[in-house]
Amino acid sequence: AQSVSQHNHHVILSEAASLELGCNYSYGGTVNLFWYVQYPGQHLQLLLKYFSGDPLVKGIKGFEAEFIKSKFSFNLRKPSVQWSDTAEYFCAVTGYGGSQGNLIFGKGTKLSVKP
Amino acid sequence: EPEVTQTPSHQVTQMGQEVILRCVPISNHLYFYWYRQILGQKVEFLVSFYNNEISEKSEIFDDQFSVERPDGSNFTLKIRSTKLEDSAMYFCASNSGAASTDTQYFGPGTRLTVL
Repeated sequence: AQSVSQHNHHVILSEAASLELGCNYSYGGTVNLFWYVQYPGQHLQLLLKYFSGDPLVKGIKGFEAEFIKSKFSFNLRKPSVQWSDTAEYFCAVTGYGGSQGNLIFGKGTKLSVKP
Repeated sequence: EPEVTQTPSHQVTQMGQEVILRCVPISNHLYFYWYRQILGQKVEFLVSFYNNEISEKSEIFDDQFSVERPDGSNFTLKIRSTKLEDSAMYFCASNSGAASTDTQYFGPGTRLTVL
């Protein structure tokens, strides 16, 4: 069965620190990978996604993620976090191709950035 | 920017009662989804809907659940006889395309509390 694991439940950083949030997936075929973010009191919104091409994907607000197929990983990174990055981050996957777009989510990682 | 909206934001009900959760997807979107998140757990796919019928459903989506698009704008999730374990945050999402790479846009969620 498809699954997504996020290693960290809660990460606390100071402003300007670098961020890396881990995500590993289990899926029998080619996948599409997503990072969603939920700021306090707001909707889930897309940060970035990968489905083909350059495995280093850049998203909004200075975030990037790298797809490493051999490690089944899609870690999210940001070189210097800001207080406004405080949010919950969700890694998700869909199967490649076809019309089945249902997202399989990880449990989420809560990021708290101290000013 | 167009948004997915959901009402109510919080619904409290007694066990065994029927509830209807409402969603207004983005107006030109054709594919609709319901997800839920039990407190402390993953966001889980429930059902996808296209062209007035269910495209795919998870094992969570049993006979107690139904979805409907009663008019051109609303997309509803009905739980016929609520159980305590139905208490969760329910998210509606929509996208314009069928591809598994298409970005889903999420609503703010309805928190359902079953007493």
